Parts: sequence; structure tokens; C-alpha cells
Amino acid sequence: DVKVTQSSRYLVKRTGEKVFLECVQDMDHENMFWYRQDPGLGLRLIYFSYDVKMKEKGDIPEGYSVSREKKERFSLILESASTNQTSMYLCASSPALGAKNIQYFGAGTRLSVL
Amino acid sequence: GNSVTQMEGPVTLSEEAFLTINCTYTATGYPSLFWYVQYPGEGLQLLLKATKADDKGSNKGFEATYRKETTSFHLEKGSVQVSDSAVYFCASRGGYQKVTFGTGTKLQVIP
Repeated sequence: DVKVTQSSRYLVKRTGEKVFLECVQDMDHENMFWYRQDPGLGLRLIYFSYDVKMKEKGDIPEGYSVSREKKERFSLILESASTNQTSMYLCASSPALGAKNIQYFGAGTRLSVL
Repeated sequence: GNSVTQMEGPVTLSEEAFLTINCTYTATGYPSLFWYVQYPGEGLQLLLKATKADDKGSNKGFEATYRKETTSFHLEKGSVQVSDSAVYFCASRGGYQKVTFGTGTKLQVIP
């Protein structure tokens, strides 16, 4: 059974804190993604990675960075959290790039920045 | 670039009613099309997909047909249940490009 695990379901942080969101997949997938989900905006891609140590900017990378040191783990980093980064964050993985490949999602991390 | 437009919600239906959620796309080439569903408190999961024109994806009583002539991929179900209450996302993916999601449509089914 495929599994994408996000380390926290709920997280509360203060403005200016450095925040790490962790995601692990057990399917040996090449690709991993970070999205944020906001009401009325749907899912917006922050960053994605198609291989270890590789990363590509998505549609809204500002204020975020990522790390992929191992194939199964993809971390999203908020260097200095701000209130406008309060959101639901979703991690996903998929096999190597191809139009037919579906994405598998984690349960999400709801981050509140106070 | 690619884009996906789906009808705004929320959509409220009585149990056993017919459901249609509209989705249209713009893309270069012929993308694969998907419907994902997000149940309360969970991440997204694939509901169905279609990879070429005239393909019909189906799962759990839901269906969607890839219509190239109208660039549409509308989601339908003949008789909804309370357990179908969720947010539904239409998405497209072309070749080596990333997935583009619609904004989501919330469905509420009342007994």
C-alpha cells in the first residue's frame, strides 16, 4: 500500500521562526512535490524535486526552500515564517515524469503562524 | 501554460440526486486528465483518470469522459451518497510538465 507521510498534522509557530515540514514516501518514487492549499485558490505548487539533491521552483517559491538529501525524504523549509504562510501544506510523490503518472498525497500539515 | 477551470462550489445535493461538476482545460498537446477527491481532514487521492481523447475514467460510480472537441472532463455520478461529501479537484498533466489543479469544488450531500 502506497504511503506518503507528513511528520505533523498540525503545527503552530511564531512569526520569524524557522520551520521544517518533513515528508517521507515509501514507494521509491523519483518525484516529490510540495503544495499549499488555500480556500478559493486550490493547490499551488511551491517546489518539486525529480531526483536526489535536485529541485525546481514551482509557482510560488518565494519565502520557501527545500531539501532532498535522500530519495524518500523531501523537506520544506520556511526560513522566517510569516503570517501569510498560514496554510495547509500538502506533500506528494509520483513515479518518474510522465503524463500518465498519478500523484500520491500525504494527509497534509495545517500550519498556523502567529 | 496549462490551466484548469472548474465550477465553483459549494454544491449542495440531496442523497440520490444526480451530480455534475464541470471542468475545462487549456493545454498544449494532449494532456492526461484526472479527478482527485479530498475527504475531510485528509490529503488528496486519485478518483479517476483518462489519458487520451474519448477515454472514460470511472471509479466508485463516478465517471468522466475526455472530450477533446470541448476541452472538457466533467465529473458525473448518477446517485450521490452522504459519504461522497468532499472536495473534488480536476487536474491536467502533459508530458514532462507538472500537474495543474483546478481550485476545487466542495460537494455537500444531505440526507
